[in-house]
Amino acid sequence: GAVVSQHPSWVICKSGTSVKIECRSLDFQATTMFWYRQFPKQSLMLMATSNEGSKATYEQGVEKDKFLINHASLTLSTLTVTSAHPEDSSFYICSATGTGGYEQYFGPGTRLTVT
Amino acid sequence: GEDVEQSLFLSVREGDSSVINCTYTDSSSTYLYWYKQEPGAGLQLLTYIFSNMDMKQDQRLTVLLNKKDKHLSLRIADTQTGDSAIYFCAESIAGTASKLTFGTGTRLQVTL
Repeated sequence: GAVVSQHPSWVICKSGTSVKIECRSLDFQATTMFWYRQFPKQSLMLMATSNEGSKATYEQGVEKDKFLINHASLTLSTLTVTSAHPEDSSFYICSATGTGGYEQYFGPGTRLTVT
Repeated sequence: GEDVEQSLFLSVREGDSSVINCTYTDSSSTYLYWYKQEPGAGLQLLTYIFSNMDMKQDQRLTVLLNKKDKHLSLRIADTQTGDSAIYFCAESIAGTASKLTFGTGTRLQVTL
């Protein structure tokens, strides 16, 4: 089946620094990638949708200057949390769809803790 | 608007059947999905159903869709301890290129 990886799986950073999270589709070309955020014991909230080679589409209430998304190739998307603060601590999950479009394959998630 | 709701918790004995329910509000849903999330992990797609179907069975999993009532259920037959996880239903809306709206998640606890 289709495999999506994320790196790192867990990161701790200091307040004010930036953190980059990578999302890779390992065995298929991801035409669209999605970034979600999940707080403890809560559902996933879509942050943004990105298509290869174009600007990401952000959901309402998500700051595009704070959460920078780059989808430079058909197998890699990155999410950079800039000037992180403790309230940015969360579980970030990416997903990807191939050309079929109706199945999303999820990465294992990245737990970000900002101290 | 899009709103997907689930009950928060379900406890069943090993070997019994589990039924997890989900209601949604957007009648233009195209696909409806069930995902499983184990602690600290990403989401695993279990099954999905197209909105013009009433039922889909896949081994121990049975999905029922009542489009009139906007109600979706997932039945797990012969529930095992390894089925303990959080189960999310999700819908995708026609024309939005696979954008998913997730339910609140149901924590399934399987007891011996």
